[in-house]
Amino acid sequence: EAQVTQNPRYLITVTGKKLTVTCSQNMNHEYMSWYRQDPGLGLRQIYYSMNVEVTDKGDVPEGYKVSRKEKRNFPLILESPSPNQTSLYFCASSLAGTAREPQHFGDGTRLSIL
Amino acid sequence: TQLLEQSPQFLSIQEGENLTVYCNSSSVFSSLQWYRQEPGEGPVLLVTVVTGGEVKKLKRLTFQFGDARKDSSLHITAAQPGDTGLYLCAGYYGGSQGNLIFGKGTKLSVKP
Repeated sequence: EAQVTQNPRYLITVTGKKLTVTCSQNMNHEYMSWYRQDPGLGLRQIYYSMNVEVTDKGDVPEGYKVSRKEKRNFPLILESPSPNQTSLYFCASSLAGTAREPQHFGDGTRLSIL
Repeated sequence: TQLLEQSPQFLSIQEGENLTVYCNSSSVFSSLQWYRQEPGEGPVLLVTVVTGGEVKKLKRLTFQFGDARKDSSLHITAAQPGDTGLYLCAGYYGGSQGNLIFGKGTKLSVKP
């Protein structure tokens, strides 16, 4: 089954403790992206990757890192998490990051930073 | 500044009513996408509109792209409880690849 898998689905942690949210897709998509969704602010793009070893900042990249060493994986790294990074995070992929391609989303990771 | 403004933010209607959701921008988009998101899940694509003036239909849902490609609308005829969800419009600003921008969404509740 074609899917985007995020792990973990839920995480409660403390300020400053490094964490990684993994994202994997099995559709051989070139494009992958991370978003955060907050009440009243909607979905905002954090980082995206057009292909392996190519990453670019989205609208809210501060405090996050990503890497794209393999086509299928696009982990989101919070080196020193802070409470303002408490949010619902989504990973998405598409064949190519162009306007006509649908984004396929994972089911989300709910992150709480205390 | 929100590049894509959606209205209304919330909509609560009875089953059988019609409704329209709007997605507006002062900028031109090469295309716009509409997604629907249910609680606990990621958004799922409904449609992509590409040509100015284009109208696309998906059963009881009708999507329209403005002639100037700055706005789009979603019309639902005879809404059903199964239509309940968050409706999001999204587009690549300035025709660029990669940087996808979403509106804040319209939360629709259809009561039986």
